[in-house]
Amino acid sequence: QKEVEQNSGPLSVPEGAIASLNCTYSDRGSQSFFWYRQYSGKSPELIMFIYSNGDKEDGRFTAQLNKASQYVSLLIRDSQPSDSATYLCAVNGKKSNTGKLIFGQGTTLQVKP
Amino acid sequence: EAQVTQNPRYLITVTGKKLTVTCSQNMNHEYMSWYRQDPGLGLRQIYYSMNVEVTDKGDVPEGYKVSRKEKRNFPLILESPSPNQTSLYFCASSFGGRVYEQYFGPGTRLTVT
Repeated sequence: QKEVEQNSGPLSVPEGAIASLNCTYSDRGSQSFFWYRQYSGKSPELIMFIYSNGDKEDGRFTAQLNKASQYVSLLIRDSQPSDSATYLCAVNGKKSNTGKLIFGQGTTLQVKP
Repeated sequence: EAQVTQNPRYLITVTGKKLTVTCSQNMNHEYMSWYRQDPGLGLRQIYYSMNVEVTDKGDVPEGYKVSRKEKRNFPLILESPSPNQTSLYFCASSFGGRVYEQYFGPGTRLTVT
């Protein structure tokens, strides 16, 4: 079992719709959860982080964390073609405070005009 | 402008020819890290540094060296590159108190023939 799993997609949504991206992780001790966006040929960009169960909203983005079920999700409301990218889920590594991030393979999102 | 810079951005080299990829950040970050990104394997940590003169191995350190003599710089050294080190390399940095909230450089695409 991979430590962080994501559906590779592509996930295709029409412009204006809600895009829902999901991620599961295997280590129950994970404390910190991140979503990075990576455009083709570019570097990952941190867009959301969440540390507590529940929802965290930032503009059109909402991160949801459920530690009991070991999943974290990212909702993108009013999706725009500019949101088309690969979204990487990451969790902190087992050794505390090493800064090690364990990344999923990423989900490719396509927003169609 | 706050940023992480890497040089070179693209490099084609031959097996065994020593090379250095530089990484510099202007945000006074304590933490710096190197990742490689490969299709199907995602992002994997090579080395990290918690501060000046403090470095440690990540998941895939074989064939790489690093040093951290100054806070802003964290070069990645390939003493004897091999074709299996052909990859996309990213440097990242963050504040020591928020090590997981990492900012990535633009990437270096390395090809070893």
